[in-house]
Amino acid sequence: NAGVTQTPKFRVLKTGQSMTLLCAQDMNHEYMYWYRQDPGMGLRLIHYSVGEGTTAKGEVPDGYNVSRLKKQNFLLGLESAAPSQTSVYFCASSSGLHEQYFGPGTRLTVT
Amino acid sequence: GQQVMQIPQYQHVQEGEDFTTYCNSSTTLSNIQWYKQRPGGHPVFLIQLVKSGEVKKQKRLTFQFGEAKKNSSLHITATQTTDVGTYFCAGIMDTGRRALTFGSGTRLQVQP
Repeated sequence: NAGVTQTPKFRVLKTGQSMTLLCAQDMNHEYMYWYRQDPGMGLRLIHYSVGEGTTAKGEVPDGYNVSRLKKQNFLLGLESAAPSQTSVYFCASSSGLHEQYFGPGTRLTVT
Repeated sequence: GQQVMQIPQYQHVQEGEDFTTYCNSSTTLSNIQWYKQRPGGHPVFLIQLVKSGEVKKQKRLTFQFGEAKKNSSLHITATQTTDVGTYFCAGIMDTGRRALTFGSGTRLQVQP
């Protein structure tokens, strides 16, 4: 099992560009999450999903959109990137409100 | 807003010394989880506590959940260099949101 995978691993964007981060899990988990991690800020929840076709806002959803068309995939979109979105993005999945399994992260820089 | 606070932010210890990090929530938690993140890595689950006053041990690590279910602690006995990393607590708040709220983490550095 690969667990949770994220693509890409690194990306540099110019202000105003768009991109999509892909998260995939092979553990048949219902719940999936997107977090961003900034120095000294811990992990902040952007959006999450408790099942295929459902999404919900987290603590810091502005500037991001998500989709969960398939149970195993959770996509995070940035429509118009801003320097404030420079961060490390982690995806995670879980079976209910239990242990979360994290992907390796995507390091995004917006110039 | 509702949040989870962690102290200290950073601790530097000599190998063999003990270490404790504390987690406090502004609201009651239905459960609390602890994660460890090595430098450059991703968070890895350590444990989950659910019951008021619960204490769990994993070798040199002891986890406690407060009686009021608003605070928790992680204690490491006789630290080793392999304990280096950032320790996060994360709780499910009684807000209806079915997701964890993470603390800001405690970064542990161990001097050999």
